[in-house]
Amino acid sequence: DGGITQSPKYLFRKEGQNVTLSCEQNLNHDAMYWYRQDPGQGLRLIYYSQIVNDFQKGDIAEGYSVSREKKESFPLTVTSAQKNPTAFYLCASSAVGSGANVLTFGAGSRLTVL
Amino acid sequence: SQKIEQNSEALNIQEGKTATLTCNYTNYSPAYLQWYRQDPGRGPVFLLLIRENEKEKRKERLKVTFDTTLKQSLFHITASQPADSATYLCALLMDTGRRALTFGSGTRLQVQP
Repeated sequence: DGGITQSPKYLFRKEGQNVTLSCEQNLNHDAMYWYRQDPGQGLRLIYYSQIVNDFQKGDIAEGYSVSREKKESFPLTVTSAQKNPTAFYLCASSAVGSGANVLTFGAGSRLTVL
Repeated sequence: SQKIEQNSEALNIQEGKTATLTCNYTNYSPAYLQWYRQDPGRGPVFLLLIRENEKEKRKERLKVTFDTTLKQSLFHITASQPADSATYLCALLMDTGRRALTFGSGTRLQVQP
């Protein structure tokens, strides 16, 4: 089955540590996205990538970094510079060219800072 | 600034009634508006998309309207069921050239049996 796989589902981090969240898709989608969701709130865009080796900052990119070396993969690193990293992180992908950017989401990764 | 607003209060309705959720936006001229469903602890799932030149779109028990003059979309679930209980998010593609959806904060729907 085609889909998006995020791992790990739950992650605990000590303050000062960097952590990397994995996102892999087998939908042959060109575009991939990372969103952050805090309790009771909507999704906020962190980074997105329309094509391999290219990505753009979203609304809350500070303290995060990404890479897009392969079409299937878009890992997100939460760095120690991110002051409040505890949140639910969602990865998504979409086909480019349809105009509408309908997103397929992964199951999410919940990060907790201890 | 550009904003998308959904009613942050939970909507509680009785089974069999029609649920109506609202999405208002300011300072956008979106070409598309989308609705997603999100269950607790899971990723959102796409439900419906409506284009700016469409007034209404239907899919089974779901209906979406799009009024670009009022800058509002209404999302209806007819003959609601307890299984429809979830958070519903609207999302727009901004007309600024950024090719990524901007989401509202969502409205939680609770259908009582």
